[in-house]
Amino acid sequence: GAGVSQSPSNKVTEKGKDVELRCDPISGHTALYWYRQSLGQGLEFLIYFQGNSAPDKSGLPSDRFSAERTGGSVSTLTIQRTQQEDSAVYLCASSSSLAGVLAELFFGEGSRLTVL
Amino acid sequence: SQQGEEDPQALSIQEGENATMNCSYKTSINNLQWYRQNSGRGLVHLILIRSNEREKHSGRLRVTLDTSKKSSSLLITASRAADTASYFCATDPNTGGFKTIFGAGTRLFVKA
Repeated sequence: GAGVSQSPSNKVTEKGKDVELRCDPISGHTALYWYRQSLGQGLEFLIYFQGNSAPDKSGLPSDRFSAERTGGSVSTLTIQRTQQEDSAVYLCASSSSLAGVLAELFFGEGSRLTVL
Repeated sequence: SQQGEEDPQALSIQEGENATMNCSYKTSINNLQWYRQNSGRGLVHLILIRSNEREKHSGRLRVTLDTSKKSSSLLITASRAADTASYFCATDPNTGGFKTIFGAGTRLFVKA
């Protein structure tokens, strides 16, 4: 596709269940970001992948959160044993960041997670 | 913690007026970007200014950057009702790589 694609767009789950959120970045983009946004709030940085480098996981709020990026393309954010405070919109973005120069981030429409 | 902080948190103006939003950040940066968000979903890139630039224009947008004060401003001239949205600044702290941190945003409401 032409843009960043995220799935599912909406997910309702019960407290304690695991969830997986998927992000398909723009083809060829080397950088991929995950953010979390609670209602009416700013974007909270979660994790950042750049090429084959080790990801920057400094924003993950707890060890229940993990993310991987397979083959330098698709990424999955996994939340284990979900809690109600995990309810938020999870946004993925990708960027070309070519030649050592930061380029703009392209965002998906987000996955809205509701934990009951 | 957030790298960028926007000011004001909310702004309400009449159509045709100018809107100014400010962003302050804490550490040295390579670049600063402004994004717009409608309806709490995906963000759209507006403009990127590099640390060695002081001012940049794009249509009705004017961005300034003062690295000595660690601050930036976004000016929207001749605002329209369609400019109603949340506006965020984003910085990549000069720590290597392109980790990008967003502020809390300014919610702009333009009354027709």
